[in-house]
Amino acid sequence: ETGVTQTPRHLVMGMTNKKSLKCEQHLGHNAMYWYKQSAKKPLELMFVYSLEERVENNSVPSRFSPECPNSSHLFLHLHTLQPEDSALYLCASSQEGTPGGEQYFGPGTRLTVT
Amino acid sequence: KQEVTQIPAALSVPEGENLVLNCSFTDSAIYNLQWFRQDPGKGLTSLLLIQSSQREQTSGRLNASLDKSSGRSTLYIAASQPGDSATYLCAGSNNAGNMLTFGGGTRLMVKP
Repeated sequence: ETGVTQTPRHLVMGMTNKKSLKCEQHLGHNAMYWYKQSAKKPLELMFVYSLEERVENNSVPSRFSPECPNSSHLFLHLHTLQPEDSALYLCASSQEGTPGGEQYFGPGTRLTVT
Repeated sequence: KQEVTQIPAALSVPEGENLVLNCSFTDSAIYNLQWFRQDPGKGLTSLLLIQSSQREQTSGRLNASLDKSSGRSTLYIAASQPGDSATYLCAGSNNAGNMLTFGGGTRLMVKP
């Protein structure tokens, strides 16, 4: 186990649903990330939070809404998704301010939009 | 904008072979380089991190090198085993902010 947990592990939702993905890190890190992994595409960075402030929004559609209430928790709120949003959503954390800043990933949430 | 490429996309080898996975990047101002392993349907496991001032890192049968001037990193796996079968991803960061750009991965199969 990497110290980063994600729930749920699998999610099926219709295009009109609203759901949330949850990530929790137990490593004492101060930065958290959301990535999207689609079939046959490289991992794409979606959002970065450092010290609970969003520092990067990588041109992500507004139907994805992140929330970082504290340094240990990160949410991704989903609404009005499209079938092409089906993917593996990965959360990661790291300790910024230290040399290198190795990122640790959670197991991911497999999302299917019907 | 940094672009990361991994060649080959897939590789199949018999057990016991030594092998090299390649990763190239377009911007030599890369800050650090991280190698990951991903099993099917799972998250990423960090294997090795080469920090900005380093040229290589070793962990067990794995050795990763980084040559910024040529825009390349290699992951060397010694005495490959069937349990090494997975997708291997490299990712680079252009600043100390740790925002990673990933390659497409190399899918490795080690046959018994």
